[in-house]
Amino acid sequence: DQQVKQNSPSLSVQEGRISILNCDYTNSMFDYFLWYKKYPAEGPTFLISISSIKDKNEDGRFTVFLNKSAKHLSLHIVPSQPGDSAVYFCAASARGGNSNSGYALNFGKGTSLLVTP
Amino acid sequence: DSGVTQTPKHLITATGQRVTLRCSPRSGDLSVYWYQQSLDQGLQFLIQYYNGEERAKGNILERFSAQQFPDLHSELNLSSLELGDSALYFCASSVEGTGEKLFFGSGTQLSVL
Repeated sequence: DQQVKQNSPSLSVQEGRISILNCDYTNSMFDYFLWYKKYPAEGPTFLISISSIKDKNEDGRFTVFLNKSAKHLSLHIVPSQPGDSAVYFCAASARGGNSNSGYALNFGKGTSLLVTP
Repeated sequence: DSGVTQTPKHLITATGQRVTLRCSPRSGDLSVYWYQQSLDQGLQFLIQYYNGEERAKGNILERFSAQQFPDLHSELNLSSLELGDSALYFCASSVEGTGEKLFFGSGTQLSVL
C-alpha cells in the first residue's frame, strides 16, 4: 500500500514562475517529511524537510508547507530555474518507529518537473 | 558527492543467476538502507540495518537477502533472478537510523535478460 502519494507524475513551469509540487500521506504516525531531488543517473539528494510540529519551513528558494489535518504537504520553488528540472520525491517517516517500515523513509512515486526558459 | 559508495554501477545478468550489490555508507553512519526503484515506481524500501543488526524489513522478496558487516559496509544478495527484478537499487545511510534524512548512493542498475 502506497502511504505517500504524489498524484502528479509531471509538471511543466516557465522559468521565473512558481513551481508547486504536492504530496499526500495516509499514515497518521508520520511525523517527519522530506523532499528529495533526483537527476538522471544520480541518487536522490536531500532538499528540505519539515517536522510535524511546524507548518512551514523555508530554505532559500524552497519552502515546504505541511497541513496535518489534511495529511498534505507541498513544495514551493520560487523562482523556478532550468536547473531545477529533475524528479522530486516526497518522503515521510515515523521517528517513533511506528510504521510498517519501522524508521525507514516512505517515498512517493515522484513528480518530474520541467522548467522551460 | 553523498559519501555513500555503491558498486557496481551497472550489472547485466541472466535469469536464474545470483548477484551481489555492495554499499559503503558515509563515514560515521551506522545505519544502511536498501531501496528498489522499478519503472514507474517510487523508491520501494527493502531492508534496514543498524550497526550490523537488521532493524526493519519492507517489501523484500525471500529470494533477496542482505547483511551489514562489522566495518559497516552492506551487501544485498539477489538470487534466482527474474526479468521483473530488473531495477535500480539504491543504498542509503544515516547516522542513527531513526527516521532522519538519508544520504543516497548513485545506485546499481540491474538488468536481468
